[in-house]
Amino acid sequence: DTAVSQTPKYLVTQMGNDKSIKCEQNLGHDTMYWYKQDSKKFLKIMFSYNNKELIINETVPNRFSPKSPDKAHLNLHINSLELGDSAVYFCASSQARSTGELFFGEGSRLTVL
Amino acid sequence: AQTVTQSQPEMSVQEAETVTLSCTYDTSESDYYLFWYKQPPSRQMILVIRQEAYKQQNATENRFSVNFQKAAKSFSLKISDSQLGDAAMYFCAYSSNTGKLIFGQGTTLQVKP
Repeated sequence: DTAVSQTPKYLVTQMGNDKSIKCEQNLGHDTMYWYKQDSKKFLKIMFSYNNKELIINETVPNRFSPKSPDKAHLNLHINSLELGDSAVYFCASSQARSTGELFFGEGSRLTVL
Repeated sequence: AQTVTQSQPEMSVQEAETVTLSCTYDTSESDYYLFWYKQPPSRQMILVIRQEAYKQQNATENRFSVNFQKAAKSFSLKISDSQLGDAAMYFCAYSSNTGKLIFGQGTTLQVKP
């Protein structure tokens, strides 16, 4: 069983389109995250939810909207995709917000043409 | 603001030898956690080792150990008896009680047979 699973793993789309990436964790964790890894492999947090409540919202364009229907799911919707959105997006979860020990999904590689 | 710096973009080691990856960080907090994550070509982020700042004893996990120097804000990773499967990108990361994991730029480790 995959602990943190993301779909799709690969996504190729045109500029201006809207797309979503889904994430589910079966670890029973309370906190979930979205991280973005750019072409230089730099990882940066985008959002974090704790029990469906948004607790971290970094300076991300409002074209990005996370949604957490329950604490096991955290989806990422992106409107009006731009070339610069091309990256690998990682979902992660943790049991306790304060320890920072994250369990990551396999990542979703988004390519915007 | 907290920062994490990895000054070695690339390192290489001979199989069975020992290699040390460097990491420094900056924070004004006294309670925090430090991590090393491994990202192989498969893209999956894997936790290698974890250190709580309040613990003086350096963490070890089998062939992986850290040298945690709190006053110097240094957190290096030593890999002993390097194996081909250790080849990956290694990320140093910092977390405080906000739950936000801050990553360094990463070090690509090559293991030569």
